[in-house]
Amino acid sequence: EVQLVETGGGLIQPGGSLRLSCAASGFTVSSNYMNWVRQAPGKGLEWVSVIYTGGSTYYADSVKGRFTISRDNSKNTLFLQMNSLRAEDTAVYYCARGHCSGGSCYPYYFDYWGQGTLVTVSS
Amino acid sequence: EIVLTQSPGTLSLSPGERATLSCRASQSVGSNYLAWYQQKPGQAPRLLIYGASSRATGIPDRFSGSGSGTDFTLTISRLEPEDFAVYYCQQYGSSPWRFGQGTKVEIK
Repeated sequence: EVQLVETGGGLIQPGGSLRLSCAASGFTVSSNYMNWVRQAPGKGLEWVSVIYTGGSTYYADSVKGRFTISRDNSKNTLFLQMNSLRAEDTAVYYCARGHCSGGSCYPYYFDYWGQGTLVTVSS
Repeated sequence: EIVLTQSPGTLSLSPGERATLSCRASQSVGSNYLAWYQQKPGQAPRLLIYGASSRATGIPDRFSGSGSGTDFTLTISRLEPEDFAVYYCQQYGSSPWRFGQGTKVEIK
């Protein structure tokens, strides 16, 4: 069974840093496109970042230069390092797998999601 | 940059009724790369439809997607109690991969 479990959220002051983790089971992180998607309280969904199977990474303009996506293949875990945090980064952060069907996988729409971890940026 | 506008904002219906949700794109969505998700309070989104009309694994056939270019529709043929939720469309044809603002389907 595919499962994604995020940890690492919490209350952080503006300008601070936080690292989110997403432990995967039931599939191999390095063989899939893995994403972070966030949702501000009471708001809609916003794609944040993706890491390709080959290791290439891409970011939304809103986080480029501040956030870094990575993975640890030995731990089958995805990470999001968030630096220079702002109030507008306050959100539930979900890790999500790019959809796989019929042996093919796609990066930018998502078939499995974690339960999310809340990041609150406030003084 | 493609902007997605969903309508209506809220749909008030009774169980057993048909729900029709609209997602309109500001530009043509390449290859009809349009997905629909369902989200219930306190839960992660759930993929329903991809490629505008293909149902994801395990999704009941009362959910169907249609459309092309700039106009897309999610139809729920007969609402079950568990279908009352917020629905989002998402385009993945061109960066940035944006979502619509959502349509809430509530019990009338």
